[in-house]
Amino acid sequence: DSGVTQTPKHLITATGQRVTLRCSPRSGDLSVYWYQQSLDQGLQFLIQYYNGEERAKGNILERFSAQQFPDLHSELNLSSLELGDSALYFCASSTGSWATDTQYFGPGTRLTVL
Amino acid sequence: AQKVTQAQTEISVVEKEDVTLDCVYETRDTTYYLFWYKQPPSGELVFLIRRNSFDEQNEISGRYSWNFQKSTSSFNFTITASQVVDSAVYFCALSDNQAGTALIFGKGTTLSVSS
Repeated sequence: DSGVTQTPKHLITATGQRVTLRCSPRSGDLSVYWYQQSLDQGLQFLIQYYNGEERAKGNILERFSAQQFPDLHSELNLSSLELGDSALYFCASSTGSWATDTQYFGPGTRLTVL
Repeated sequence: AQKVTQAQTEISVVEKEDVTLDCVYETRDTTYYLFWYKQPPSGELVFLIRRNSFDEQNEISGRYSWNFQKSTSSFNFTITASQVVDSAVYFCALSDNQAGTALIFGKGTTLSVSS
């Protein structure tokens, strides 16, 4: 158990809908990262927040947005969902915001868009 | 641009065999970090090791060992006396100054260990 929690574990929804994925980092960690794992694209970095502020952005679609709250938990919002958004979404956390920091991953949320 | 290549898509071995998972990376930075993660059938990503570019010492942890060679840009992972519980997808990842804190992952190697 990494100490990173993600809810829900599974999510099934329809095209065009909006969903929110939630992540709580390990105790003491200030950075939260979101990754998407799909069969065709593999594991891809989406976005990072550090102590409430956006720190880095990867291949995140405009339909997706995230935020980190004062209690350091983070939410990833996915809107106007398409079939291709079906994937495993991971949250990771680390102590700081450096490349040296090890990222510890949560169990993931499996999103299925029908 | 940074890149991580895991050329072995799938490997099948019988218990107690040794197996090496290959990882080749590309980066223009002199300071970078390499990682291995394990994804068992349950789906979570489990951190195994982190190595920085200035430390070329090989590392051993129980049945696991890692061989880092800057000359060939490789960071290979060996499991000695494999066990069924080692069956998983193994990912090699890279972070450098260009990527910042983002991890660049390889496509992964699926290891199947049969009894």
